[in-house]
Amino acid sequence: GESVGLHLPTLSVQEGDNSIINCAYSNSASDYFIWYKQESGKGPQFIIDIRSNMDKRQGQRVTVLLNKTVKHLSLQIAATQPGDSAVYFCAENWSNAGKSTFGDGTTLTVKP
Amino acid sequence: DTGVSQNPRHKITKRGQNVTFRCDPISEHNRLYWYRQTLGQGPEFLTYFQNEAQLEKSRLLSDRFSAERPKGSFSTLEIQRTEQGDSAMYLCASSLYVGFGEQFFGPGTRLTVL
Repeated sequence: GESVGLHLPTLSVQEGDNSIINCAYSNSASDYFIWYKQESGKGPQFIIDIRSNMDKRQGQRVTVLLNKTVKHLSLQIAATQPGDSAVYFCAENWSNAGKSTFGDGTTLTVKP
Repeated sequence: DTGVSQNPRHKITKRGQNVTFRCDPISEHNRLYWYRQTLGQGPEFLTYFQNEAQLEKSRLLSDRFSAERPKGSFSTLEIQRTEQGDSAMYLCASSLYVGFGEQFFGPGTRLTVL
């Protein structure tokens, strides 16, 4: 149930497995990155962020990895649960701009 | 509930009508953003305010769209002469600007133009 490197529009994993969701960003000047989770009928919800002076950041069950050389971001979810089923978006910002630019989403489905 | 709120949650209108949406941000947040999201896509930036000043507008925002934040608190987004292509989810977000700021999103207003 893992994918490394390639962005996939959908990802299906078994409950309890680890998930990896990938994202390519476009602007080499971006210095702040965020992962959002969006459930059906709701707005995006912040999961974890990372600044460009870091290459890894860990939260509760989630880890974000940043590879600035290839402009790639990934979100790792440990011990995936049914409640993790949602669409996941990465977003990039740069410190002089207010807006976030969102990437293509990945729909994560967790099978019980 | 102290999160971002948006009203109405759903709006159905006929082509050519004007619509207005309201966003109430988290009270201490000085930045407010509007995004548009169509099915299967990520949110697309429309415009943002810092306090009452509108600092940036996307080229996506045609002359039919106008946004205001008159007192630096709530904001309105108006679409004049709606078109079927305006059908989308309109999302509002707010943040406390400290250089890098997490944006907190509201539930969105779903617009359907018939």
